[in-house]
Amino acid sequence: GQSLEQPSEVTAVEGAIVQINCTYQTSGFYGLSWYQQHDGGAPTFLSYNALDGLEETGRFSSFLSRSDSYGYLLLQELQMKDSASYFCAVRVFTGGGNKLTFGTGTQLKVEL
Amino acid sequence: ETGVTQSPTHLIKTRGQQVTLRCSSQSGHNTVSWYQQALGQGPQFIFQYYREEENGRGNFPPRFSGLQFPNYSSELNVNALELDDSALYLCASSLEGQASYEQYFGPGTRLTVT
Repeated sequence: GQSLEQPSEVTAVEGAIVQINCTYQTSGFYGLSWYQQHDGGAPTFLSYNALDGLEETGRFSSFLSRSDSYGYLLLQELQMKDSASYFCAVRVFTGGGNKLTFGTGTQLKVEL
Repeated sequence: ETGVTQSPTHLIKTRGQQVTLRCSSQSGHNTVSWYQQALGQGPQFIFQYYREEENGRGNFPPRFSGLQFPNYSSELNVNALELDDSALYLCASSLEGQASYEQYFGPGTRLTVT
């Protein structure tokens, strides 16, 4: 099976930088994805890492260390609209399928 | 480009009843995955359909079943509803056959079982 751990809640001020960590245990690992979900909304894709290192997409960056089974999402220049839940998800090969196993999510609160 | 749509938006059912939820995938996507999201939890993988065949299944009992149609739309059926089935049901479409790692989620169906 798969298991993922991430902090349940993080609070930061507008304009700051915040890092959300994710550790995982899984077999058949292909990569680590990050999704954002606002209350009552659909999860939306943010970033994906298949190889070790840092991927940057605008204000968001994601990092992966396959040897440490660890990744993080880095959010810079925080804005109030970034208040949401953030999920890491491992992509696992299921014999042709693209299965995602999600963590329990980190609720980010951005304050003035 | 049309996004993922789901119907209905909300649904209230009684324990023991059966329910069918529907999903239309994003234009050009041939794979649909279904997830159950309980309050305060991450989405849990139910199963995936590719070319009208089940292509991977999570830890859900057989009373959770599905279909995919030639136009890639999909249904999730749940029989003998239980109170614990109350959740947000999400479908996500993607394009298999390539290195697809990005799934596009619909807005979900909120199911309440009383």
